[in-house]
Amino acid sequence: SQQGEEDPQALSIQEGENATMNCSYKTSINNLQWYRQNSGRGLVHLILIRSNEREKHSGRLRVTLDTSKKSSSLLITASRAADTASYFCATDATGYSTLTFGKGTMLLVSP
Amino acid sequence: DAGVIQSPRHEVTEMGQEVTLRCKPISGHNSLFWYRQTMMRGLELLIYFNNNVPIDDSGMPEDRFSAKMPNASFSTLKIQPSEPRDSAVYFCASLRDSNNEQFFGPGTRLTVL
Repeated sequence: SQQGEEDPQALSIQEGENATMNCSYKTSINNLQWYRQNSGRGLVHLILIRSNEREKHSGRLRVTLDTSKKSSSLLITASRAADTASYFCATDATGYSTLTFGKGTMLLVSP
Repeated sequence: DAGVIQSPRHEVTEMGQEVTLRCKPISGHNSLFWYRQTMMRGLELLIYFNNNVPIDDSGMPEDRFSAKMPNASFSTLKIQPSEPRDSAVYFCASLRDSNNEQFFGPGTRLTVL
């Protein structure tokens, strides 16, 4: 079964706007990670947030984690057409780096 | 660094045939993962190796699937006999223990007719 569930399933915005994607999960975790997948390609790691962290930044990315609500959000600021991709959250609940992925959010950024 | 290398990139075969997918992890990475991605089920972990030893194969769907890692630089995922429902994109990923970031290969798109 899927540990992470992303919301929304699809998101369409204009260049320059911010994009927010949410992820909910079911069990306790060691860390939560966000990955990006361009069409027909492998996944690329974006950012990792550990269970004792609440917020993390990387360039135009901002990730929050609320372990009490078992949820995370990924914010992409000032989006670009090149950000068009599917975004997945993945949880590490075992401590052995085995990840459970959600089904992803498809983001379309129009010029 | 060349990244994780997978071959073939595309495979089309007929039901009942044996399929072998190959993966070369990033040098120095000592964990390797095989995933399967479909529209219906998303991305599923099939098996996880650490230092060439299978640690968790609970995601392997059935006995038709087997995976090996004979050395630190090579792994195979074999399906025998293949069935149409095995059609999917199969990804290999590797990881250095000190860093939880997984590096994914480009995937093998398998079509079983």
